[in-house]
Order: sequence, then C-alpha cells, then structure tokens
Amino acid sequence: NAGVTQTPKFQVLKTGQSMTLQCAQDMNHEYMSWYRQDPGMGLRLIHYSVGAGITDQGEVPNGYNVSRSTTEDFPLRLLSAAPSQTSVYFCASSQRTGLTDTQYFGPGTRLTVL
Amino acid sequence: GQQLNQSPQSMFIQEGEDVSMNCTSSSIFNTWLWYKQDPGEGPVLLIALYKAGELTSNGRLTAQFGTTRKDSFLNISASIPSDVGIYFCAGQLYNFNKFYFGSGTKLNVKP
Repeated sequence: NAGVTQTPKFQVLKTGQSMTLQCAQDMNHEYMSWYRQDPGMGLRLIHYSVGAGITDQGEVPNGYNVSRSTTEDFPLRLLSAAPSQTSVYFCASSQRTGLTDTQYFGPGTRLTVL
Repeated sequence: GQQLNQSPQSMFIQEGEDVSMNCTSSSIFNTWLWYKQDPGEGPVLLIALYKAGELTSNGRLTAQFGTTRKDSFLNISASIPSDVGIYFCAGQLYNFNKFYFGSGTKLNVKP
C-alpha cells in the first residue's frame, strides 16, 4: 500500500493563478480531508468528504473547491490564488472503526503564492 | 471552530528524561489522537484513544483519554534524540470526520 499520496510536493504560483493539488489513497477509506498548516497554528480543516459524491466545508473553506468523483481521489482546487494561501497542505484519509476514526496523512504540498 | 489548548508549546530536555504534554478542550470528544511530525513530513499517527479513561502505550509512549473526555495526555519515557519533532493532539467530536488539532508541542532533546 502506498497509503496517502500527494502531488506536487512543492509549487510556486503567482497571485490570480489557479491550480489543483492532487490527493489519492489506496486503502479504500471512505473519509478524506484537506488541511492547511501555518506556523504556530496547527492544522486547520479546509474541506472533507464522507464518500464519493459527498463533500462538506471545514473551518477555512473560502478560496478552495473540492470534488470527490471516486473513492480514491480527492483533489483540492485553488481558483484564484492569493498570498494568504501560502501554506503547507495536507490530505488525510480515515477508516471508520466502529464509532471512531483513525486518520492518516499524506506527505504534504508546500505552496507559495507570490 | 473548536479550540484545543496544547501545552507546553516547546520543551528542551536532556536525553533520558521523561516528557509530558497535554491537550484540553471546551468540548467533549469521542476520539483523541496523538501525532508526531518531523520537519518536511506529514504527521504520523502515534496513538489513538477511543474511550474515556483509556490508557494506551506504544513503546516508550503512553497516552490517556481523560475521564471528563475534554483532555488527553501524552508521556514519553527515557527520551532519545530521535524523539525530536512536533507533537500534535487531535480530537474528534461526535459527528463524523471532523478532527480539531492543537497547535503542537515542539520537543528538543539534547544528547
């Protein structure tokens, strides 16, 4: 199992550009999430999905779109990048065990918006 | 959103010492997770806790799910240099798949 994979590892954008951060998991997990990590702030939830075709907003969804057409993939789209979106982005997937979830993370995408 | 207060923010200890860190919240969680993050990497799950009062070990690490369900503790015994990193707690509310993270405890171990 590759676990959770993310591409690209690094990206530099200019303000106003759009791009898609890719995330894939091969563990057949129902639940997938996107977080951003900023210095001293821990991880904050952007969007999440409880299954193919179902997505919902997290704490900081503005400026980001997601879709979930397959169980394996959960891409994150920045429609018009802004310097405030400079951050490290982590994708995670969860396997429900009874009433609880254990969450596994990808290696991250480091995004700089100039 | 939910606030998790994690303390201490950073620690400088000598190799061989024991370490304790904790997380508290204003809400009741039904799951507590502890992660370690190395520089340039994603967080790696260390311990998962699912029941109030639960005490779980993973090698030299021991974590507890507080009886009030509003806190959790992580202890590392006999620290070694490879314990260096940032430790995060995460809590899950009753509704599905929303995890809230503490701001992290940065651990430095002096050989």
